[in-house]
Amino acid sequence: EAQVTQNPRYLITVTGKKLTVTCSQNMNHEYMSWYRQDPGLGLRQIYYSMNVEVTDKGDVPEGYKVSRKEKRNFPLILESPSPNQTSLYFCASSPGRLNTGELFFGEGSRLTVL
Amino acid sequence: GQNIDQPTEMTATEGAIVQINCTYQTSGFNGLFWYQQHAGEAPTFLSYNVLDGLEEKGRFSSFLSRSKGYSYLLLKELQMKDSASYLCAPEGFQKLVFGTGTRLLVSP
Repeated sequence: EAQVTQNPRYLITVTGKKLTVTCSQNMNHEYMSWYRQDPGLGLRQIYYSMNVEVTDKGDVPEGYKVSRKEKRNFPLILESPSPNQTSLYFCASSPGRLNTGELFFGEGSRLTVL
Repeated sequence: GQNIDQPTEMTATEGAIVQINCTYQTSGFNGLFWYQQHAGEAPTFLSYNVLDGLEEKGRFSSFLSRSKGYSYLLLKELQMKDSASYLCAPEGFQKLVFGTGTRLLVSP
């Protein structure tokens, strides 16, 4: 089944404790992206990647890192999480190259930072 | 920069027709997506318009006017399961920017 898989789905952590949210897609998509969703602010792009070893900042990259060592994986790293990073996170992928194309979303990861 | 404007909330009754408007200003515009998102779930693709005009897909239709920076999503024969948020998303170069969404409440 074609899908985007995120883990963990739910996580409660404390300020400063490094964490990684994994994202994997099995559709051989070129494009992958991370979004966060907050009430009243909608989906905001954190980072995106057009291909292996190619990543770029979205609209809200501060406090996050990503890597794209393999085509299928695009982990989101919070080196030192803070309470303002409490949010619902979505990973998404698409076959697009120059254009984004239709995005396929993972089920979301709800993160709480205390 | 990008600016996307859509109503925050709309209500309608089962069986009715509702139109959700979206105006946008974005650089490098390629086309416009509409996504549906039920509470607590991931967005799912509804439609994509790249040319001006109306695209019809079953009960859902989407319209685009590139010159006016305007789109709408038309939902016909509303069902209770259509209660969800509807996200307007203009596509730029290597970027899909989402509006804050319109929450649609369908009542019996």
